[in-house]
Amino acid sequence: AQSVTQLGSHVSVSEGALVLLRCNYSSSVPPYLFWYVQYPNQGLQLLLKYTSAATLVKGINGFEAEFKKSETSFHLTKPSAHMSDAAEYFCAVSAPISSGSARQLTFGSGTQLTVLP
Amino acid sequence: EAQVTQNPRYLITVTGKKLTVTCSQNMNHEYMSWYRQDPGLGLRQIYYSMNVEVTDKGDVPEGYKVSRKEKRNFPLILESPSPNQTSLYFCASSFRGARGGYTFGSGTRLTVV
Repeated sequence: AQSVTQLGSHVSVSEGALVLLRCNYSSSVPPYLFWYVQYPNQGLQLLLKYTSAATLVKGINGFEAEFKKSETSFHLTKPSAHMSDAAEYFCAVSAPISSGSARQLTFGSGTQLTVLP
Repeated sequence: EAQVTQNPRYLITVTGKKLTVTCSQNMNHEYMSWYRQDPGLGLRQIYYSMNVEVTDKGDVPEGYKVSRKEKRNFPLILESPSPNQTSLYFCASSFRGARGGYTFGSGTRLTVV
């Protein structure tokens, strides 16, 4: 079984400040990990993914995330927040091919990011 | 343009009246899936499909049906909707299922009264 915990359902940062959204996962096998972003009244857009290559993953819009196996974490960061980053962010996990159960993404409950002027 | 198209975007219906939400993708993806999104619960998978005529239950399949007769289409059927199925629904597709990440539709907001 796999699960995702996103710490903080709401995060507020000032424009230009560091963005840090936390994600911890639970998986019985090495996972694939994803961050998605959802803007108001839109579907989900893939920000970045970790699929067992480099542990530091760069995504779109200046976001990046680091896979830390020892901490079972995949936190999302951006050095300088922009007003357009205000959205809801979802972390998701899936099991890799070898497990035979790579059938679905399991999502966290989401973190709403507010960017203050 | 590569996309997943859901219809309708908004739907208000009454308890017990059968409805279908359509989903179509133009990317020749093998994998398709339905999710529902509820506040504080994130997205939960309802059903998924690995290919034509191959479907399986996700985490919350009760009250829903799906079919996959063609590769591009994956409709979600609520045979007897109830108020607890009021939610935001997303269809998604991928070449390699969850491992490759999904492309999501714009969502269908369903209200059952």
